[in-house]
Amino acid sequence: NAGVTQTPKFRVLKTGQSMTLLCAQDMNHEYMYWYRQDPGMGLRLIHYSVGEGTTAKGEVPDGYNVSRLKKQNFLLGLESAAPSQTSVYFCASRGQLNTGELFFGEGSRLTVL
Amino acid sequence: GEDVEQSLFLSVREGDSSVINCTYTDSSSTYLYWYKQEPGAGLQLLTYIFSNMDMKQDQRLTVLLNKKDKHLSLRIADTQTGDSAIYFCAGGGSQGNLIFGKGTKLSVKP
Repeated sequence: NAGVTQTPKFRVLKTGQSMTLLCAQDMNHEYMYWYRQDPGMGLRLIHYSVGEGTTAKGEVPDGYNVSRLKKQNFLLGLESAAPSQTSVYFCASRGQLNTGELFFGEGSRLTVL
Repeated sequence: GEDVEQSLFLSVREGDSSVINCTYTDSSSTYLYWYKQEPGAGLQLLTYIFSNMDMKQDQRLTVLLNKKDKHLSLRIADTQTGDSAIYFCAGGGSQGNLIFGKGTKLSVKP
């Protein structure tokens, strides 16, 4: 099983460039999440989705946009990248609330110069 | 909202027991989780405990939950070098996500 797949795994951007991170899950999960991980900060929620066609803001949404046009895909966009967005981004999905395990992708390392 | 705190570093010798501690603020989480992150990888669920339990044992892992003090701990018996990783404590957030602690980096010395 592929589980949760993130692409690309690595990317270097210049300030002001745009890009999209793709997350795909093959577990038919309703809930999907984008986190960023920074040293000493743990994981912080950027945006999340509770189903196809829905998105909502998490703890640190500024500078990011998301879309969930298909149930299996959750896209994270940076319209104008900034050095503060240099981070490792993790996508996760979950089948059930409260009792369900979060399944994580391998992460996407983004560097903004 | 939920806040989860844990110490950042722990160093032990191979064969010793490791105890990683965590405190949380929201007592409404149905489950509390421990995730493990190896270098360059995503997080993987290590174990979890239902909120009405005090203890759960799973091979070398023992999870203790003190609901009164909102304290969760993970004990790894006979710690091996392969256990070196970052361990995250997590509880339920209001948006169906999980709120993670900052992670405890466990270093195991031979």
